[in-house]
Amino acid sequence: ETGVTQSPTHLIKTRGQQVTLRCSSQSGHNTVSWYQQALGQGPQFIFQYYREEENGRGNFPPRFSGLQFPNYSSELNVNALELDDSALYLCASSLGASGGVGETQYFGPGTRLLVL
Amino acid sequence: QKEVEQDPGPLSVPEGAIVSLNCTYSNSAFQYFMWYRQYSRKGPELLMYTYSSGNKEDGRFTAQVDKSSKYISLFIRDSQPSDSATYLCAMTTGANSKLTFGKGITLSVRP
Repeated sequence: ETGVTQSPTHLIKTRGQQVTLRCSSQSGHNTVSWYQQALGQGPQFIFQYYREEENGRGNFPPRFSGLQFPNYSSELNVNALELDDSALYLCASSLGASGGVGETQYFGPGTRLLVL
Repeated sequence: QKEVEQDPGPLSVPEGAIVSLNCTYSNSAFQYFMWYRQYSRKGPELLMYTYSSGNKEDGRFTAQVDKSSKYISLFIRDSQPSDSATYLCAMTTGANSKLTFGKGITLSVRP
């Protein structure tokens, strides 16, 4: 059984550019959630995908968008990058979307994005 | 007021000490409570998962939830240098699996 993987590990972009981050879910998991973790802060929920449909969104602007593919891998896209978008972006996969017993979220190692 | 507040750090203890980490929350709909451990430059790793009020023990770790006080705790017994990490409390309502995290506290266990 493979864990959650993310690519790339590090990325440097300039303000105004666009970025795509990728995530492969743990085997058998149909739900993926994305979080943004600024330095010294806890992760903040961006959105969740369940069986290829968006299933909840946090307080992030529309320039943050995502996709989930039939194999349950996922992408996070951020347009018009701002300096404050510099953070660790984490994806987490789970077996379901209710957060209940047996639907624990397992996190990947994250992609560290620096916007200059 | 943030939904989840976590005791500020950092925290430094000698090896073998008992560590107590705490979070309070304001949303009474939270019913699933988790503690994650995050090593430097890594993703969070699930340590403990508790449903509703009560205690749960796993080796040197004990998680406590008091829903009446909206207060959760993680106790680490016989702390080891390998326990040095950032500890994050997280919780969810169960209506969806959006996790709401505390800010995290950095623990350093001195040999």
